[in-house]
Amino acid sequence: DGGITQSPKYLFRKEGQNVTLSCEQNLNHDAMYWYRQDPGQGLRLIYYSQIVNDFQKGDIAEGYSVSREKKESFPLTVTSAQKNPTAFYLCASSIDPRDGEQFFGPGTRLTVL
Amino acid sequence: GENVEQHPSTLSVQEGDSAVIKCTYSDSASNYFPWYKQELGKGPQLIIDIRSNVGEKKDQRIAVTLNKTAKHFSLHITETQPEDSAVYFCAAGDTGRRALTFGSGTRLQVQP
Repeated sequence: DGGITQSPKYLFRKEGQNVTLSCEQNLNHDAMYWYRQDPGQGLRLIYYSQIVNDFQKGDIAEGYSVSREKKESFPLTVTSAQKNPTAFYLCASSIDPRDGEQFFGPGTRLTVL
Repeated sequence: GENVEQHPSTLSVQEGDSAVIKCTYSDSASNYFPWYKQELGKGPQLIIDIRSNVGEKKDQRIAVTLNKTAKHFSLHITETQPEDSAVYFCAAGDTGRRALTFGSGTRLQVQP
């Protein structure tokens, strides 16, 4: 099956710990994205990558970091510098940045205790 | 940057009625307008999209209209069914520049 996978579905961490969220796609898409969703709100862009070894900050990049060493993988690290990390995190991909249509993964719910 | 406003935040309709959700955007360079449906605990799924070279697009019970002059676009769902109950998001983007900007979402409840 082709698609985007995110793991784990639920993640719990203690305050002050860094945590890495996984995002993998086998759609051969060039572009990948990370969004954050808070209850009752829309999706806010954290980081995006248009091609391997390149990524750009989105609207709320502070306290987050990413890497794009492989086309199919775009992990997101939530660092201890992120003041309010508890949220639902969504990864997406598109064929290329000029296409527009994005496909979303199932999401990871991160809870920081 | 782009700003997308979406209304209403909640919408309750009777099964079989129509539902309309409206969005406005600010950046005249935006040329791609998708609508996503998100069920509880899942990622959003694209249900329909429209590009700026057309004014309306239909797919069975779902239609989207775009008014570029007024910078607004709308989602129309006819003959609503209980399985249409979900949160719907509009978005706007300029393909080739960066990712989409999303509205704040509309929770649609279809009463059987």
